[in-house]
Formats: sequence, structure tokens, C-alpha cells
Amino acid sequence: ETGVTQTPRHLVMGMTNKKSLKCEQHLGHNAMYWYKQSAKKPLELMFVYSLEERVENNSVPSRFSPECPNSSHLFLHLHTLQPEDSALYLCASSQGTGRNTDTQYFGPGTRLTVL
Amino acid sequence: AQKVTQAQTEISVVEKEDVTLDCVYETRDTTYYLFWYKQPPSGELVFLIRRNSFDEQNEISGRYSWNFQKSTSSFNFTITASQVVDSAVYFCALSGKNYGGATNKLIFGTGTLLAVQP
Repeated sequence: ETGVTQTPRHLVMGMTNKKSLKCEQHLGHNAMYWYKQSAKKPLELMFVYSLEERVENNSVPSRFSPECPNSSHLFLHLHTLQPEDSALYLCASSQGTGRNTDTQYFGPGTRLTVL
Repeated sequence: AQKVTQAQTEISVVEKEDVTLDCVYETRDTTYYLFWYKQPPSGELVFLIRRNSFDEQNEISGRYSWNFQKSTSSFNFTITASQVVDSAVYFCALSGKNYGGATNKLIFGTGTLLAVQP
């Protein structure tokens, strides 16, 4: 596997379900990101991790819970979601030099539908 | 405040036409980076280019070219002889402040949907 991978690619869940999205990067990067992309809306940054430490939580509801067990893996745990949470969830990673030169590389996304 | 504006929501062209996607940005930083990403229907954002604020030379990569003009705060993207496979949403982005640690923020525009008809 190369680049950034995400599983599952598609997920349908009910509002009472608990599910997790997984992201894995094979680039040796130190920083990882979760974004939400809803129809007709700009990309919204949700969480940022640097060396497994959360450095940004962009006012995301607690029904979204991120986890970064190591610099290669990032999870987004979902519980009691709402229909408006249906969106494409994108994971990205960057080298983590601490400078604004870093390029973020994205995974293919998980398309989530909440019924 | 930092902002990226892509005023063109949708563009439709016929194959082999040239097309330019506009990007205008706002920042008070003296050093910054600009990016273009392509998002095909599959969903993945594909990195196309990164340009730093000190390098105003135009860049060409095959059928793609980028025109960076600091005086007008623009970083436009031109596709020459467009092809159906170019159909996608294209995002322009600006590097923002670091969050802390080893991360950086990207400010994205709202994207331009390019449809290339055969």
C-alpha cells in the first residue's frame, strides 16, 4: 500500500450505531488530519494530530471522537450521529516539519450516510 | 484574516479547449504557500502543485500551467487542450499558521467544478 488509505470507503449507519473510520499513512509523516466535506460546503477541518498528540479540535461535537495510537494510524470513532453528519470524511497527512511548507496528502475518503 | 476565493463555481468546456481556473487569496503573512488540488469523482484530493510566495515564476507541467501574481494576489491554473479525464473539482489552498507541533493549516477555497464534455 502506498500513500494514505482509508477504510471503509462507504458506510451506512443508523443514528444509534457506533462505528469507526480508519486512516493509515505509509509516507513516514508525523502529522495527521481529519476533514469533513459536505455537499455544497467547503472542506471543514475537524482534528489535527502531531506526533500522536491532538493539537487542534475545531469545535467538533463530542459524538466524533478521534484516536491516534501512533503516527501512522488515525481513527474517527462515531456514535449517536445525526443525519446532517452524512458527508465525505477525508484523512490527510503531512511530513510534520513545523513549517508551513508542508504539503498535505489525502486519502480517498469514507462516504458516510447516517439514516 | 486569511481567505481563498474561487469565484467560478462551475465551468463547462468542450474537449481540447483551454480553460483557466481562478484563485484569489488574502493573507497578511509575508511568507506563505499556495496549493492546487484535484478531486475527481472518486473523492480523493490529489496534490497538483505547491508554490511559495517568493517565487513568482510561472510553472508548467505538461498540459497544466500556473500563473502566480503577487500584485493581484492571484494563483490561477490553466489546463491546455482539456480532456474528459480533467473533469473534477479543483481546490486552491493557502498555508496558514501552524497549529503547534509539526502541523500546518490549509485554508481551502470552495472549489471549482470543471466538466469537460467530449
